[in-house]
Amino acid sequence: NFILTQPHSVSESPGTTVTISCTRSSGSIASNYVQWYQQRPGSSPTTVIFENNQRPSGVPDRVSGVIDISSNSASLIISGLSTEDEADYYCQSYDGSNRVIFGGGTKLTVL
Amino acid sequence: QVLLQESGPGLVKPSETLSLTCTVSGGSVSSGSYYWTWIRQPPGKGLEWIGYLYYSGRTNYNPSLESRVTISGDTSTKQVSLRLNSVTAADTAVYFCARGEIAYLFNHWGQGILVSVSS
Repeated sequence: NFILTQPHSVSESPGTTVTISCTRSSGSIASNYVQWYQQRPGSSPTTVIFENNQRPSGVPDRVSGVIDISSNSASLIISGLSTEDEADYYCQSYDGSNRVIFGGGTKLTVL
Repeated sequence: QVLLQESGPGLVKPSETLSLTCTVSGGSVSSGSYYWTWIRQPPGKGLEWIGYLYYSGRTNYNPSLESRVTISGDTSTKQVSLRLNSVTAADTAVYFCARGEIAYLFNHWGQGILVSVSS
């Protein structure tokens, strides 16, 4: 099966834009939808992007998702960073048998 | 509003069986076309999908855990259960239950329960 690789950590300044990547090891990134979850310390994850680029209600439009076939990766893009965005972010997809696969997670620091 | 609450022992001995229950309020295990999923997170580590129970009774498990895991539902008590056999210290984690309308989407999560495996 495939694995999803994320950077362990990223840091950016308030007000700037961050991009968190998620690279699929085999098979096309476009074959199965990618979701992104935000997890703050001590809390359950919440969905910030589903089906590659869809935002659940309540998620601001400064949060977006995109896939890039050439690099076989998905990216979560957050603009206008604030300290409230500090969290762990996980990408997630699934295989042809609907078995779910998570990326290793990226710790976002806003400083 | 759907609320999910995990419950069960916080400490399990090695080689024994971990048993957890997810109680649903604001919904039923058998109503609607929902997937009831268990996910775990070892302390300081990432998320791992354990498997799901579809409302029809069909299950699907992580291949790495399939030989030891059972997910079942009790419509009369609005509960979804997880059983993991022959546990080791590597099974120490926060265990979450979650619900979604599609197998790969988790719209509602429980708060999670920490289960430690230790003698």
